[in-house]
Amino acid sequence: GQNIDQPTEMTATEGAIVQINCTYQTSGFNGLFWYQQHAGEAPTFLSYNVLDGLEEKGRFSSFLSRSKGYSYLLLKELQMKDSASYLCAVRERGTYKYIFGTGTRLKVLA
Amino acid sequence: GAGVSQSPRYKVAKRGQDVALRCDPISGHVSLFWYQQALGQGPEFLTYFQNEAQLDKSGLPSDRFFAERPEGSVSTLKIQRTQQEDSAVYLCASSFESGTGDSPLHFGNGTRLTVT
Repeated sequence: GQNIDQPTEMTATEGAIVQINCTYQTSGFNGLFWYQQHAGEAPTFLSYNVLDGLEEKGRFSSFLSRSKGYSYLLLKELQMKDSASYLCAVRERGTYKYIFGTGTRLKVLA
Repeated sequence: GAGVSQSPRYKVAKRGQDVALRCDPISGHVSLFWYQQALGQGPEFLTYFQNEAQLDKSGLPSDRFFAERPEGSVSTLKIQRTQQEDSAVYLCASSFESGTGDSPLHFGNGTRLTVT
């Protein structure tokens, strides 16, 4: 089995940079996903890391370190619309289900 | 349609009633998942379909929960004799990946079930 941990809540200011961490204990997975979920809405795909290192996609970047068992999502030039929950997820190798972290609720303040 | 569609959007049931939640996945998506999401938590896996075959139902919390996808497209999650602890958002997701490889999930907006 696996355990995926994320901080419950974070607060940051508009225009700032924030890093949301995700730590996991798992016997093996192909890659790690990040999703964004606005309140009352569906989670939407943000990024996927299969190799160690940083994947940059506009204002959002995601990092994976398999040897250290963690990933982070980096959000730059924060905007009010970035206020949402951020979920990391993996699919343990050879299984069908994706396991999600508890989610980090990000509040962006003006 | 362009995305995953779920109905109803909201459902209020009295304890003991049966409910049926519907999911219309993206056309052509082989894989379909059901998740349960409690307030302030991440989605918890319930069950997985590959076409019409239910290949993993390890997350269904009790035998009151039953899911089907008889023609490999629309799926229904049924909860019998609802209990208060069943109150949650039920999310459906689909993906084009058919095996155990990775691909992003496309989620519906969910059905918010409240059991009174």
